[in-house]
Amino acid sequence: GAGVSQTPSNKVTEKGKYVELRCDPISGHTALYWYRQSLGQGPEFLIYFQGTGAADDSGLPNDRFFAVRPEGSVSTLKIQRTERGDSAVYLCASSLYPGAIGYTFGSGTRLTVV
Amino acid sequence: QQQVKQSPQSLIVQKGGISIINCAYENTAFDYFPWYQQFPGKGPALLIAIRPDVSEKKEGRFTISFNKSAKQFSLHIMDSQPGDSATYFCAASMNYGGSQGNLIFGKGTKLSVKP
Repeated sequence: GAGVSQTPSNKVTEKGKYVELRCDPISGHTALYWYRQSLGQGPEFLIYFQGTGAADDSGLPNDRFFAVRPEGSVSTLKIQRTERGDSAVYLCASSLYPGAIGYTFGSGTRLTVV
Repeated sequence: QQQVKQSPQSLIVQKGGISIINCAYENTAFDYFPWYQQFPGKGPALLIAIRPDVSEKKEGRFTISFNKSAKQFSLHIMDSQPGDSATYFCAASMNYGGSQGNLIFGKGTKLSVKP
């Protein structure tokens, strides 16, 4: 596609529920990144995929967070047992090659845990 | 530990004026310094970026000034326009063009340009 697509754009869930957030990167982009942006803050790195594998997951806050990219294209960020503190905008970015040059961000998924 | 400190938190400038946003970093291993512009409801978009081997980079009305010894860099927006009103983020990363590439962002500056 023309840009990075993230679905849903908004998600409201109850505390303790499981959620999945989807990212469709730009076609042909091998690198994919997930970031989390809390209100009034800059994005914080969560995880980076090169192809199908997670090359760096050091930003995942705890084991309730997990992400996959099984075919090297679409990625899904999964959050188990959601907590109110998980409320944020989850941003996905992709780039043609690994590295920070040429990132394109999606518009994000706004997750609200009530 | 905040590795990239950004100031001011908010900025109001008159149309035609110069907007200046400053950032300071701690990790000398950083070798790529981009600025992103974000409008409400949208993801950040790359505005301009610099590597530490140059002291200044200009693209249109946007200029990055870089001071390696002071570990500081700044964004200057000349002839600011109401359409520039957005939140601006500085960022830094290591391993330019390499296998890493995750960005460390500042907390952002909300710019309002008054007509």
